[in-house]
Amino acid sequence: EVALTQSPGTLSLSPGERATLSCRASQSVSNVYLGWYQQKPGQAPSLLIYGASTRATGIPDRFSGTGSGTDFSLTIDRLEPEDFAVYYCHLYGNSTATFGQGTNLEIK
Amino acid sequence: QVTLRESGPALVKPTQTLTLTCTFSGFSLTSSEMCVTWIRQPPGKALEWLALIDWDDDKYYNTSLKTRLTISKDTSKNQVVLTMTNMDPVDTATYYCARTVDPGYYYYMDVWGKGTTVTVSS
Repeated sequence: EVALTQSPGTLSLSPGERATLSCRASQSVSNVYLGWYQQKPGQAPSLLIYGASTRATGIPDRFSGTGSGTDFSLTIDRLEPEDFAVYYCHLYGNSTATFGQGTNLEIK
Repeated sequence: QVTLRESGPALVKPTQTLTLTCTFSGFSLTSSEMCVTWIRQPPGKALEWLALIDWDDDKYYNTSLKTRLTISKDTSKNQVVLTMTNMDPVDTATYYCARTVDPGYYYYMDVWGKGTTVTVSS
């Protein structure tokens, strides 16, 4: 079973800066089934990116996803105050699925 | 407009069976590519994927919890039911259901319910 490891656990940045979040799979996986989700306190998660790099409907182009094989990343350019949240990568495949442990993006 | 709502008991005792219902609208689970997924989140912890059921009634489970989980659907009621047996305090969590789209060449959970909180305690 594939495991996802996210780093860093916490990322402290200021509005206007760029955030780069990492998600590493324990073995090579298909881009098709790699997604990113954002969760704000007290809310359900929401879809940001699917297929490793396709933005979901309504997601601004400040958010971008890249990667292949075992290494994937989510980049957020020009951080806005509403971007500070927890981000999870997620993988579906081989009749099961898993989440990474999350990266907490906090205001510095 | 697609919506999902989770319902079930807020409190269950250890060893009991939990039954949660996801009632949805705005899409049909008889349409190809459509699925519903259950996910949970213990307080202050990460998301955990639990189970998925698709339009063809195929079912997929979290490997570690597979023996305790059963997912089913009632398309006439637009509902998906998740049962989890032998509940333990570590199963205390917010349980979410989410519409899932899976045509085979991509996959995503695009609309989530607000979640229902379940506490396991005697």
